[in-house]
Amino acid sequence: DAGITQSPRHKVTETGTPVTLRCHQTENHRYMYWYRQDPGHGLRLIHYSYGVKDTDKGEVSDGYSVSRSKTEDFLLTLESATSSQTSVYFCATTQGADTQYFGPGTRLTVL
Amino acid sequence: EDQVTQSPEALRLQEGESSSLNCSYTVSGLRGLFWYRQDPGKGPEFLFTLYSAGEEKEKERLKATLTKKESFLHITAPKPEDSATYLCAVQRGNSGGYQKVTFGTGTKLQVIP
Repeated sequence: DAGITQSPRHKVTETGTPVTLRCHQTENHRYMYWYRQDPGHGLRLIHYSYGVKDTDKGEVSDGYSVSRSKTEDFLLTLESATSSQTSVYFCATTQGADTQYFGPGTRLTVL
Repeated sequence: EDQVTQSPEALRLQEGESSSLNCSYTVSGLRGLFWYRQDPGKGPEFLFTLYSAGEEKEKERLKATLTKKESFLHITAPKPEDSATYLCAVQRGNSGGYQKVTFGTGTKLQVIP
């Protein structure tokens, strides 16, 4: 399994505040992904990265931005958190365009 | 639009009672179909990748099969530790770049001792 860590693992914040979630991998994988998981929905892609400083939008990217300044780190930022962004966020990585390996997740609650 | 439908949504089995989970899909050019296991409060754990119709893969009590329209995850003589949510996902094949992955909503399996 890819060595993927996410921080924080849990966070409670208030509407309108900025939030940054971090994903760190030790496998030197090229691709990194941010998903959100909500009841009744499959995992939905927010943003992904195909290399340092190379990112693109997924299907639910509104209200989110990402950055990747190093191969091992992929940051997800909610510029102004809203209650609809309460969710569990997962990071995933792949070396090629193949099997994705997931991190342990971050549970975010926006009050 | 790619779609993945998993059934049943929930399944309760007695220990030792074999069964199958279904994953029906539509995708433009299947590159791969994935099965994951997810325990409460944890990230999805990779189980299998299947690439072409007729392919089968096994791991302990689990066996995954693939046809052109669906995949099955067969669980033989399950144990309580097999209780989890099982996720199916399909990857679209296209030339270069990001290969889109679409996830189903999962089947929650409970195995009763």
